[in-house]
Order: sequence, then structure tokens, then C-alpha cells
Amino acid sequence: GDSVTQMEGPVTLSEEAFLTINCTYTATGYPSLFWYVQYPGEGLQLLLKATKADDKGSNKGFEATYRKETTSFHLEKGSVQVSDSAVYFCALSYRNNDMRFGAGTRLTVKP
Amino acid sequence: EAGVAQSPRYKIIEKRQSVAFWCNPISGHATLYWYQQILGQGPKLLIQFQNNGVVDDSQLPKDRFSAERLKGVDSTLKIQPAKLEDSAVYLCASSWGSHTEAFFGQGTRLTVV
Repeated sequence: GDSVTQMEGPVTLSEEAFLTINCTYTATGYPSLFWYVQYPGEGLQLLLKATKADDKGSNKGFEATYRKETTSFHLEKGSVQVSDSAVYFCALSYRNNDMRFGAGTRLTVKP
Repeated sequence: EAGVAQSPRYKIIEKRQSVAFWCNPISGHATLYWYQQILGQGPKLLIQFQNNGVVDDSQLPKDRFSAERLKGVDSTLKIQPAKLEDSAVYLCASSWGSHTEAFFGQGTRLTVV
């Protein structure tokens, strides 16, 4: 069935380092792809999304490009901050709005 | 606009007891989801409603879990009887329609002892 696989964590970086969190998907069609973020003690929030191939989603300095040829939607940020420490979830939505999530990647950014 | 409301925020029960969670989605959102998020894992879809009809309940343990959305607005999720492995955060989310983002509530943290 449709699913997403994201890199295992945890990921620990120093402030201003470059971030990549890998996400690949399996789907029989053309899903929409999402990155959600869960800050400590808070609910899931949409970070960015892309609805078709070659679309780039961006928000708060984060970017991800929908790559159909590699079935990927990797999350990147050029310079992370301590406030970016959170758990990041890759997700896809396909057909009847069924939202499927990856296992999550915990990011810790140290000053 | 008001977000997705869930209650209670926390619940502790003994195994074999029953528990119910309530969710009020964002006004106008036709699609409502219940997810189970076990510590250290991603959310797992339990059931999805479109208005008051069930679209997908393939991962709902129907021998003990039930959910309803009678008037196509708010929803309740019930567990009876609870098991230790049901300890998790239960998330409710809603969305407008196809391929659109889901908005999540804060969740209900259930501990079964």
C-alpha cells in the first residue's frame, strides 16, 4: 500500500548547520506530499506541502521538492536554529484524503 | 478561525475499563480523522470519515474500538475494554477535501495501567 519512509533519527546538529531529512514514498498514483512538525508539548503542524511533481514547498526557511523520478521529498534547511528542535514527519495524501505518516525524525539543534 | 478541539487532554484508566474521546473539527471540514500515535512512532490512521460516512476503518481494532460522527460534525472515539498497549496519544484531525492539509488537535494522551 501507499507509504512513506523517512530517515531514522535522532539527528543532532549545531546551530547554523545544514539540515537534510530524507523521505521517500511508495504510491500507485500521484499523491500530495507534506512535512509536518511537532514541537515539544505541541500538536502536529503543517510545515510545507507539494501537490505535484517538481513542486517545491517552502516555509520558515525549510524547503522540499517533489521528485517523481526518485519518489522523494527530502526536507532541507540551510541554517538551523535551536528553535527548530522538534520531530519532523513526512506524509502523503492519496485518493480519499487518507493521510499516511512516516515514523518521524527527531531533530535537536545545539547552540 | 478556531482549530480542532479535543477533550480530555489526559486520561489514565485501568486495563479493561472503557474510555471515550471527543473531537470537534474545524467548521466546514468534511473530512475527519482519528489517529493513534504511540510514543516514538508516527501517527497511524484508525478511521477516516467523510461527512458522517466511514471512508476507511481498515486499521481500527473493531473488537474494542468504535467511532461515530452522527451529524457529520463532531466525533467520538471509544475503547472498550482498554488494554495496556492502547497507551498512546489519540489525535483528531480535519480537512476540507482531497489532497488538502489536515489540521490537528492537541491530542488526548491515554495511559492504561
